[in-house]
Amino acid sequence: ILNVEQSPQSLHVQEGDSTNFTCSFPSSNFYALHWYRWETAKSPEALFVMTLNGDEKKKGQISATLNTKEGYSYLYIKGSQPEDSATYLCAFENFNKFYFGSGTKLNVKP
Amino acid sequence: NAGVTQTPKFQVLKTGQSMTLQCAQDMNHNSMYWYRQDPGMGLRLIYYSASEGTTDKGEVPNGYNVSRLNKREFSLRLESAAPSQTSVYFCASSAQGPFEQYFGPGTRLTVT
Repeated sequence: ILNVEQSPQSLHVQEGDSTNFTCSFPSSNFYALHWYRWETAKSPEALFVMTLNGDEKKKGQISATLNTKEGYSYLYIKGSQPEDSATYLCAFENFNKFYFGSGTKLNVKP
Repeated sequence: NAGVTQTPKFQVLKTGQSMTLQCAQDMNHNSMYWYRQDPGMGLRLIYYSASEGTTDKGEVPNGYNVSRLNKREFSLRLESAAPSQTSVYFCASSAQGPFEQYFGPGTRLTVT
């Protein structure tokens, strides 16, 4: 069983703040790292799939970076809005299996 | 285009009862997955199917069986439900990777 860790567990920010979260994963046998956004009472939705060391992906005000050599990925949200409130999950993909972290729960106050 | 569908949405079972959770996808994906989600634990992979006709164990397969009926459908069976299987179950599918997974709406199962 592979260990995928996310920090912090939860985060409370004000509207307009920028924030970032960390996902740590094993640095050996890397295949892909996924980020998902999970709103309460809904299903997880994919944000990014990252495969190459140094990869940077962006979708609107959300961006992610990847360092496969040291085994971490950062997710950044610039200028958080209340609608960004959700749990953000990362998942390490290895030989068709996905290992999810327990998520970072973001609450953005208006 | 319904994406990934799951039935039922809710179920209450007594200890020892059996049931099958159904999952279907209409995106022509090769890979399908079953996860359980427990508080503080994130999503844990129960079983997956990389292609029609193949299935393999994930992190927490004990107490479950699966069937990949065809390319569209992947079912999860609890032969003798236990209270420890109380959870929310998600089905997901993806194209052969690395591509994003698409998740169904989930089934909330309570075993008393």
